[in-house]
Amino acid sequence: ETGVTQTPRHLVMGMTNKKSLKCEQHLGHNAMYWYKQSAKKPLELMFVYNFKEQTENNSVPSRFSPECPNSSHLFLHLHTLQPEDSALYLCASSQGGSAGANVLTFGAGSRLTVL
Amino acid sequence: GENVEQHPSTLSVQEGDSAVIKCTYSDSASNYFPWYKQELGKGPQLIIDIRSNVGEKKDQRIAVTLNKTAKHFSLHITETQPEDSAVYFCASRGSNYQLIWGAGTKLIIKP
Repeated sequence: ETGVTQTPRHLVMGMTNKKSLKCEQHLGHNAMYWYKQSAKKPLELMFVYNFKEQTENNSVPSRFSPECPNSSHLFLHLHTLQPEDSALYLCASSQGGSAGANVLTFGAGSRLTVL
Repeated sequence: GENVEQHPSTLSVQEGDSAVIKCTYSDSASNYFPWYKQELGKGPQLIIDIRSNVGEKKDQRIAVTLNKTAKHFSLHITETQPEDSAVYFCASRGSNYQLIWGAGTKLIIKP
């Protein structure tokens, strides 16, 4: 399989649940990103990892916890979320380390609904 | 903070006509301007980009123009086809090297 794969595609969780989103890229890229996409709003950059090291954390609440065990895998651990966290969460990868320096390849996203 | 404004939010054009989407950026140090297309159920995909040392770039039916003085850049799609229906996002790379995104334009191609 090629490209950027995200699982699950859809997730419904209660505010007290703990769940994780997974992203895997098969492109040999060294940077990976988490974005939040809400309707009619600009994409919000959440986290950036470059060679497994976190280089950006855009004031994201601690209920979102990223993990990057290697350059091909990225996780977003979710804990005690709020209904306003319901959104499409997009994973992306790029060859370079800066969010704007290189072409981003996005996954199809994980649609999260918090009840 | 830095931002990118994108207009219109929704654009409906007749198949075969042209479509133009406009963006304005605030960071005068921006030097890279990509356009992404997001089809239903998919993630955004780069369709064209332009760097600040170029005023216009074309790729078949799509083109992007950049006016650095006015801090405007636009996406032009000619001879629109049904497969052009999607949400289009502009972005600019700011002085901190992060992409700053517009809010998106939903393009509807009417048959």
